[in-house]
This record gives sequence, structure tokens and C-alpha cells, in this order.
Amino acid sequence: QKEVEQNSGPLSVPEGAIASLNCTYSDRVSQSFFWYRQYSGKSPELIMSIYSNGDKEDGRFTAQLNKASQYVSLLIRDSQPSDSATYLCAVNKGGAGGTSYGKLTFGQGTILTVHP
Amino acid sequence: DGGITQSPKYLFRKEGQNVTLSCEQNLNHDAMYWYRQDPGQGLRLIYYSQIVNDFQKGDIAEGYSVSREKKESFPLTVTSAQKNPTAFYLCASRGVGSDTQYFGPGTRLTVL
Repeated sequence: QKEVEQNSGPLSVPEGAIASLNCTYSDRVSQSFFWYRQYSGKSPELIMSIYSNGDKEDGRFTAQLNKASQYVSLLIRDSQPSDSATYLCAVNKGGAGGTSYGKLTFGQGTILTVHP
Repeated sequence: DGGITQSPKYLFRKEGQNVTLSCEQNLNHDAMYWYRQDPGQGLRLIYYSQIVNDFQKGDIAEGYSVSREKKESFPLTVTSAQKNPTAFYLCASRGVGSDTQYFGPGTRLTVL
């Protein structure tokens, strides 16, 4: 079983729809969760971080965390063609001050295409 | 203008040659990381450093070496022992008390 697994893509949604990206992780001690967006040929950029169970909203983006189910998701409302990219889920087992030294484990990424 | 810079953007290497990838940051971050990304895959950790003059192996350190002589710099050497070095290499840094990593623009290495 992979440590961090994302739903296989590619995912294609029409403009204006909600895109739902999912991620599961295997280590129950994981404490910090991140979503990065990566455009083709570019480096990842941070979209959202989430640490507590529940929802966290930032503009059109909502991250959802369920530690009991070891599941984190990203919802993109009113999807735009500019949202077309690869979305990477990353997990930190121990947090900044823990023995994990801030190391992140990444999923394989989900390619999202938003078509007009 | 604060940030992380990586050079060169593209690098071509002949088999059997060592090459060094540069990573510099002016964010005053203590921790720095090197990742490798292959097509259609996520990022895999090569080496990381929490402080100057100290670094640890990540998940795929074989065939790579690093140094951390200055806080701002964390160069990665891809040695001839790395069997499949063609990949996109990403450097990241993290500040004290934060667990968020920020990435440089990356170096795309191709072995001819």
C-alpha cells in the first residue's frame, strides 16, 4: 500500500463545475496535510494546508480532513480553465517540531482538466 | 525579492559525468530539501538538511551527494553512480516553526 494515494486521473470537469480531488494516507500519526498545484513544466505551489478535522475554505478552494478515515480532499468550486493542472497531496507525519523534520510524503498527483 | 532560485533551468549530461545542481534561498529558512520528480509521478525525497553542516539521506539518496556549508545554499551533485538520473529536480525550503515547504523553479536534467 502506498503511503499517500490519490484518486487516479485524469479528471475532466466542465467550466463552472465542482472538481473533487481525493487523497488517502496510511500512517495514522500524520499531522499536517497539504495540497499543491503544479502546472505543466513548473514547480509545485501551495494551495492549502489543513491540520484539524473538518473543512477549511479559502476562496474557491475547500480542503476537507477526516483523520479517522485517513482521508483528505480538495474541492474546487466554479472551476476555471486556469485550474487545469496536476494537484499533489502531501502529508507530514510529525509536524514542524517533530522527529519527521518537516519531511513530506507526496501522492502521485491527479491531473485536472477544466474544459470550456 | 525573496525566494528560492535553482540553476540551471535545463542541464544535459553525458553518461559517466557528475553534475551539480544549484539551490539558493534568501528566505532565511533553516531547512532545505531536494526532491526528484519523474513523469506522471509525485515527488521523492533525495536529501534534506535542517541546519548548516548537517544533512540526512531521504528515500532515494543513492547516487547523489549534497553539502550545506552556508544557510542559503544546498547544492546537489548527481554522480555517475545514479543509474537513471534523467528527471525534474526540485529544491524546497522551510522556515523554523513552520511545516510548509516552498519550492524553487526546478532543474530539468537529461542524460544523453
